[in-house]
Amino acid sequence: AQTVTQSQPEMSVQEAETVTLSCTYDTSESDYYLFWYKQPPSRQMILVIRQEAYKQQNATENRFSVNFQKAAKSFSLKISDSQLGDAAMYFCAYRTLSSNTGKLIFGQGTTLQVKP
Amino acid sequence: NAGVTQTPKFRVLKTGQSMTLLCAQDMNHEYMYWYRQDPGMGLRLIHYSVGEGTTAKGEVPDGYNVSRLKKQNFLLGLESAAPSQTSVYFCASSYTGGRVGNQPQHFGDGTRLSIL
Repeated sequence: AQTVTQSQPEMSVQEAETVTLSCTYDTSESDYYLFWYKQPPSRQMILVIRQEAYKQQNATENRFSVNFQKAAKSFSLKISDSQLGDAAMYFCAYRTLSSNTGKLIFGQGTTLQVKP
Repeated sequence: NAGVTQTPKFRVLKTGQSMTLLCAQDMNHEYMYWYRQDPGMGLRLIHYSVGEGTTAKGEVPDGYNVSRLKKQNFLLGLESAAPSQTSVYFCASSYTGGRVGNQPQHFGDGTRLSIL
């Protein structure tokens, strides 16, 4: 069974600085998707960025980018030029393609604090 | 454009009471999911559905039942509520579970449920 681990329960960053959130996963599959979701205090789950495992190029979305290391089974999220609105809980998630169910397996979450 | 709507947003129950959480989506999605979110554990899949009239168990199905009588609705039932079911419940939907378009899951705003 696949598992996702976020080993940093809490992180903090100074406004305008860069922060990296870690995520590792365990799988025997070669093809899958990985996601980062943001959950602000409003409780919404907002998709930040996605990565397809068969693509070697790291995904980027404006100030958000990932470092996808397939062999190491690592999928970290880098937030550049951090803003106060980035303060939230961030979840890493894995989606298998083998069962065609679209199920997501989530990590435990990392709470990011942004200091002004 | 409502997306995924969960009803109610908050509820307090006594042990042994029953209730139904309603999830409605207006995106014509085939796949729907119920997750629960607990501190330090991320989101865990309770049940899911890959189409109207179908349901399947997820990671933590015990104590819950679901129904998908209409494509746009996915109901989560607690027959006899227990304090261990105190949690935040999220519904999500997606167009497909497969590779087509790398479709992400869209989430509702969650239901905070407390069992006393």
